[in-house]
Amino acid sequence: EIVLTQSPGTLSLSPGERATLSCRASQSVSSSYLAWYQQKPGQAPRLLIYGASSRATGIPDRFSGSGSGTDFTLTISRLEPEDFAVYYCQQYGSSPPEVTFGQGTRLEIK
Amino acid sequence: QVQLVQSGAEVKKPGSSVKVSCKASGGTFSSYTISWVRQAPGQGLEWMGRIIPILGIANYAQKFQGRVTITADKSTSTAYMELSSLRSEDTAVYYCARSIVGATWWFDPWGQGTLVTVSS
Repeated sequence: EIVLTQSPGTLSLSPGERATLSCRASQSVSSSYLAWYQQKPGQAPRLLIYGASSRATGIPDRFSGSGSGTDFTLTISRLEPEDFAVYYCQQYGSSPPEVTFGQGTRLEIK
Repeated sequence: QVQLVQSGAEVKKPGSSVKVSCKASGGTFSSYTISWVRQAPGQGLEWMGRIIPILGIANYAQKFQGRVTITADKSTSTAYMELSSLRSEDTAVYYCARSIVGATWWFDPWGQGTLVTVSS
């Protein structure tokens, strides 16, 4: 099973700042099979990024994803108040079908 | 717009079973894969398994093999997740989420979640 490790565990920033969230895989992941989700308290996760760098429908362009192999990054260029939430990376493997999530990064207001 | 609506909260005794439903609307159920993901209180996301309704094929995470059964009823566009031999550690919010067969593997959208509480 591929293990995803996210860092930092908690990130404290102010609105307007740039956020950089990391997701490291225990073995190489195809870029096509790496996604990012945002989750706010009491809500279901929301898809932000798929295929490592493609924004989902309706996601603002301040969110961007990058990376390949074992190292992936989610960047939020200028934080808005509504961006403070928990972020998860996810990978998919097809043989056999397997999905794993990182443990999450909590983005909090400084 | 595709929507997934789940059944309501459940309180169960240890050792019993729970069955949670997930009804899809606004799209073509036969083209979906429905996965189940759970989240224990204050914890992260954990994939349990998935079903491809048009093929009737289900795959399970190793951790849940033998204890979870995922089924689907194409006539009502509803997927089900049944978890047996419940223990307190199974207390969690259970989500269903959609992928598209042969086209997407990411989860979008998600159901609203169903809280399952296991307590004596």
